Amino acid sequence: QKEVEQNSGPLSVPEGAIASLNCTYSDRGSQSFFWYRQYSGKSPELIMFIYSNGDKEDGRFTAQLNKASQYVSLLIRDSQPSDSATYLCAAGLISNFGNEKLTFGTGTRLTIIP
Amino acid sequence: KAGVTQTPRYLIKTRGQQVTLSCSPISGHRSVSWYQQTPGQGLQFLFEYFSETQRNKGNFPGRFSGRQFSNSRSEMNVSTLELGDSALYLCASSWGTSWSGELFFGEGSRLTVL
Repeated sequence: QKEVEQNSGPLSVPEGAIASLNCTYSDRGSQSFFWYRQYSGKSPELIMFIYSNGDKEDGRFTAQLNKASQYVSLLIRDSQPSDSATYLCAAGLISNFGNEKLTFGTGTRLTIIP
Repeated sequence: KAGVTQTPRYLIKTRGQQVTLSCSPISGHRSVSWYQQTPGQGLQFLFEYFSETQRNKGNFPGRFSGRQFSNSRSEMNVSTLELGDSALYLCASSWGTSWSGELFFGEGSRLTVL
């Protein structure tokens, strides 16, 4: 089982609709969660982070965290063609031994159809 | 504010050779992390340095090594190159440790091993 799992896609969403991206993680000790966006041929850039259960909104983006079910999701409202990219989920933790770790999923490719 | 700078951007090597990649973090950032990105495996963590100390290391063979200098610049070295080492190598800097906050990625060094 991968530590952070994402559906690789591609996920196709019509322009103006809501895009829903999901991510599950295996380590219950994970404490911090991030969503990075990576355009083709570019490096990843952070778009959202969330530490507590519940929803966190930032403009058209909403991150949702459910620690009991060990999943994180990203909702993109009013999807635009410029949202077409690969979205990487990452989970961070510090173990009882003091080891710190940030693990990325393999990413979900999102295509917004005009 | 200058971003993360990686050099060289592209390089071609042959099997058995070694390579050194360089990363200059954003001014004031003390943490530098290295990742290998391939289409099939996504972002794989190599190692993280914080204030010249290696804080964490991923599951890569000993051929992969790194270091960080007093000015926070970092280098990674891969010895005895193999075909499977062909990948995009990304460096990311952050003010604190990688698991707790935003990572700023460089454009990457694309290594091709023939």
